[in-house]
Amino acid sequence: QSALTQPASVSGSPGQSITISCTGTTSDVGSYNLVSWYQQHPGKAPKFLIFEGNNRPSGLSNRFSVSKSGNTASLTISGLQAEDESDYYCCSYAGSGTWVFGGGTKLTVL
Amino acid sequence: EVQLVESGGGLVQPGRSLRLSCAASGFTFDDYAIHWVRQAPGKGLEWVSGITWDSGAVAYADSVKGRFTSSRDNAKNSLYLQMNSLRPEDTALYYCAKAQNKWLRTPFDSWGQGTLVTVSS
Repeated sequence: QSALTQPASVSGSPGQSITISCTGTTSDVGSYNLVSWYQQHPGKAPKFLIFEGNNRPSGLSNRFSVSKSGNTASLTISGLQAEDESDYYCCSYAGSGTWVFGGGTKLTVL
Repeated sequence: EVQLVESGGGLVQPGRSLRLSCAASGFTFDDYAIHWVRQAPGKGLEWVSGITWDSGAVAYADSVKGRFTSSRDNAKNSLYLQMNSLRPEDTALYYCAKAQNKWLRTPFDSWGQGTLVTVSS
């Protein structure tokens, strides 16, 4: 149950698109179409953002999209806005009812 | 509105025990699996445990297996985490999080605000 690998930080200007990668192994990301993403603002609880197949909570902007190739999943945020500045975590099912999170990525909107 | 309220956190000495609770409202509690996720101060999220709607399956992270026990009381709309043999590295904010269905293979779509556990002498 090793943590998934995410970049520590990414940045972009308003209106641009950014992508956050999430690399796991054949035991988690590579074996299941079950990678979810969470957004966490400082001092707040995490919030469910999106799931594979672009399954997202009602009301969530379609500026957020996901994809996966092999052992790496990605979250893309298009049309970057100031309120997108936050920490983002990926999370993958790892079998036998267990889940594993990534280390988190801090997104800075310049 | 879905609400999850954790309680039971506090300061505890290494080797001692603590029991966390998560009170749920705003949804049919026994239609959903529930998970525990923790976050050490200034660190990332770590999945701890998950339990299906009927307690038929319970899963644990390797870091807590054999020391922590998850349980639920559907009649009381409550989830519990019994934490034994606590270590300083268990110090974290503990969240309960609701799954999208009865089983353990769906993401966590609602979260509580967390309860802080500090393990220190």
